[in-house]
Amino acid sequence: SQTIHQWPATLVQPVGSPLSLECTVEGTSNPNLYWYRQAAGRGLQLLFYSVGIGQISSEVPQNLSASRPQDRQFILSSKKLLLSDSGFYLCAWSPPGRGVGNEQFFGPGTRLTVL
Amino acid sequence: KNEVEQSPQNLTAQEGEFITINCSYSVGISALHWLQQHPGGGIVSLFMLSSGKKKHGRLIATINIQEKHSSLHITASHPRDSAVYICAVRPIYNQGGKLIFGQGTELSVKP
Repeated sequence: SQTIHQWPATLVQPVGSPLSLECTVEGTSNPNLYWYRQAAGRGLQLLFYSVGIGQISSEVPQNLSASRPQDRQFILSSKKLLLSDSGFYLCAWSPPGRGVGNEQFFGPGTRLTVL
Repeated sequence: KNEVEQSPQNLTAQEGEFITINCSYSVGISALHWLQQHPGGGIVSLFMLSSGKKKHGRLIATINIQEKHSSLHITASHPRDSAVYICAVRPIYNQGGKLIFGQGTELSVKP
């Protein structure tokens, strides 16, 4: 069976510090991978998605970046955090391809507080 | 106007009540998802629909593609159903399985 992991679960960082959040998926190959952010009181916003190693699409301009160094590893990074980066970050995966059967499965999330 | 609108935004019900959450969307879609987010933040996929109706336990989801509308029903609601319910659609023009999310409906079921 497939599982998705995220770490850390919670993180408190000062403004201007770097960030690295990691997401890994087990039990599947070549998944589509996604990073979402949910700011306090707001809906989910897609930040990045990837359909393969080294293939990253950015949905919104921001000071965040994403990388996919391995097939089942997706990393969200920042060189300098802003207060507005605070939120709940969710990683998700879906089976490869674009078929209707591509249900998305979400990780447990990382709650980031920037002070 | 958001491409996916949910109503109501907040809902309080008594245990045992029948609950309906609505989702309307304005784009052509290949699938619609209903998700449940618990207070701790974790998200669980409840249903994925492209037509008709699906049932899982006390949860029923329906979709009318022509009217661009979906409903999530909870029968015999229970306090453990308290959560945020999120509607998300996959546009036909989509690449890579991207979803567009509604703002969510926060449900509180009182004992």
